[in-house]
Amino acid sequence: AQSVTQPDIHITVSEGASLELRCNYSYGATPYLFWYVQSPGQGLQLLLKYFSGDTLVQGIKGFEAEFKRSQSSFNLRKPSVHWSDAAEYFCAVGAAGGYNKLIFGAGTRLAVHP
Amino acid sequence: EPEVTQTPSHQVTQMGQEVILRCVPISNHLYFYWYRQILGQKVEFLVSFYNNEISEKSEIFDDQFSVERPDGSNFTLKIRSTKLEDSAMYFCASSGGSRESASTDTQYFGPGTRLTVL
Repeated sequence: AQSVTQPDIHITVSEGASLELRCNYSYGATPYLFWYVQSPGQGLQLLLKYFSGDTLVQGIKGFEAEFKRSQSSFNLRKPSVHWSDAAEYFCAVGAAGGYNKLIFGAGTRLAVHP
Repeated sequence: EPEVTQTPSHQVTQMGQEVILRCVPISNHLYFYWYRQILGQKVEFLVSFYNNEISEKSEIFDDQFSVERPDGSNFTLKIRSTKLEDSAMYFCASSGGSRESASTDTQYFGPGTRLTVL
């Protein structure tokens, strides 16, 4: 069965520091992978997605993620965090073909200290 | 920028009552979804809808749930007889494109409706 694990429930970083949010997936076939961000009172906004090709994917707001098949991981990174990046981040996996049901991880809540 | 909207933002109801959650997807999108997030838990898929019929549903989506696209713009989720455990944030999402591209099209999410069942 498909599943997504985000090992870190909460992460706190200082503004300007680098960030890496971890995501591991379990899926038998080629996964389609997504990172969404949710700010308070807002819906889920897509940061980036991976389907195939270059394993380093660039997204919005200066985020990037790297797909590593050997580690079943799709970690999200940002070289320098801004206070406005404080939010909850969700990793999700979708199935190739068909109707794109997304399976979400539990989320990582990011706090940013000034 | 087009966006998915949901009403109401917060709904409080008594156990056993029927509720209808409303969503207006992005106008040229073809696929529509409902997800829910119980407080402190994961976002869970409920149902997907394409071409005026359910295309996939989860085991959560039992006979108490139904979806409808009553006109060209709204997409609704009805819970016939609410239970305490239905309390959650319900998200609507939509994606465009064709059946062939459904897997790769971005799903755009609304801000959610928080349902509280007392």
